[in-house]
Amino acid sequence: GENVEQHPSTLSVQEGDSAVIKCTYSDSASNYFPWYKQELGKRPQLIIDIRSNVGEKKDQRIAVTLNKTAKHFSLHITETQPEDSAVYFCAAPSGTYKYIFGTGTRLKVLA
Amino acid sequence: SQTIHQWPATLVQPVGSPLSLECTVEGTSNPNLYWYRQAAGRGLQLLFYSVGIGQISSEVPQNLSASRPQDRQFILSSKKLLLSDSGFYLCASGQGARTEAFFGQGTRLTVV
Repeated sequence: GENVEQHPSTLSVQEGDSAVIKCTYSDSASNYFPWYKQELGKRPQLIIDIRSNVGEKKDQRIAVTLNKTAKHFSLHITETQPEDSAVYFCAAPSGTYKYIFGTGTRLKVLA
Repeated sequence: SQTIHQWPATLVQPVGSPLSLECTVEGTSNPNLYWYRQAAGRGLQLLFYSVGIGQISSEVPQNLSASRPQDRQFILSSKKLLLSDSGFYLCASGQGARTEAFFGQGTRLTVV
């Protein structure tokens, strides 16, 4: 089955700087990689996703890159703002029905 | 888009008491449904998933059980709660592992 590792577990950046979170996966058949943001006490919500037929996807200040050969994908947040502070989870499919989530990264944006 | 209704939002239960958490889904049909548990400051642990009425797959053996009596209803139960059952329980809905998962608001369970 799929195994997803996520690093770092915590990340502090100055407001305006960039943040990068990386995940590795084990199943070469995986073809869909979402990123979720979870604010304190709230539910995870999808912020961006990428499918294996593309190498990069951008949505304003957020981008995701995928390296299928190395089996890793990364979340990039540019020009960070205090409201970006949250826990971010990556995920990958395990089989047809299950999502395997990474262990999460707590991002703190320091004003 | 899908809407996941999950209740209650918070719950305090004594050790040994029963549990029933309900999740209903709107805006989709034949969804795959999931129960996750999140301990404080931790990741998402998949407990159960269901691909159809009456079909339940258990991921972690423990004193919890799940049922799906209707297409868009998913119930998490326990006959006797343990202290270790405390956590944030999230119901999720999706159309397969290659599409977005939608989460409910979650139930924060404290077992005392």
